[in-house]
Amino acid sequence: NAGVMQNPRHLVRRRGQEARLRCSPMKGHSHVYWYRQLPEEGLKFMVYLQKENIIDESGMPKERFSAEFPKEGPSILRIQQVVRGDSAAYFCASSPSQGNTIYFGEGSWLTVV
Amino acid sequence: DAKTTQPNSMESNEEEPVHLPCNHSTISGTDYIHWYRQLPSQGPEYVIHGLTSNVNNRMASLAIAEDRKSSTLILHRATLRDAAVYYCILRVYGSSGSARQLTFGSGTQLTVLP
Repeated sequence: NAGVMQNPRHLVRRRGQEARLRCSPMKGHSHVYWYRQLPEEGLKFMVYLQKENIIDESGMPKERFSAEFPKEGPSILRIQQVVRGDSAAYFCASSPSQGNTIYFGEGSWLTVV
Repeated sequence: DAKTTQPNSMESNEEEPVHLPCNHSTISGTDYIHWYRQLPSQGPEYVIHGLTSNVNNRMASLAIAEDRKSSTLILHRATLRDAAVYYCILRVYGSSGSARQLTFGSGTQLTVLP
């Protein structure tokens, strides 16, 4: 049973470019969460999605960041016009339903140069 | 959300038991106590969770105080691969069984000495 799959594991972008991070939840999981971990800081919640719906985006920056979880395919975290401060590890997690145990992926490391 | 307090760091010798404490004096009746750990350059890994009774699984044991204001994660025999940051998290559940997302604190950095 494959775990939460994230890709790419490492991504380098120049300032102003777009970054797209993908997350395939565990089989049977329809709830996805995105977290960000800045260097030397803790994990911060960004957004919680269910298939085709954003349930809670209280942790998402108001500009340049968006997330989706379409009916088919992986969840995507999109960062437009990246800046150096976006350099971080982005973790995706999934659960079969709200309230169930949440399992994390290995993360995507974004470096903005 | 109720907060948790953990020591910043702890050390343990390999092959010995480790007791990682967590204080959560403002815990409410519907808060579950969750433990995750994060190894270097990896995502958080679920360890264990409980509500009132002590819990055991293949990874660890969770001992919950009778008043629920504190808990202890017990690793029965520490190995070098257990070196990680351990997070104690209270997860708030609603009456319908719904739960909010996990809120991570700074955790306890566990160092295992050979």
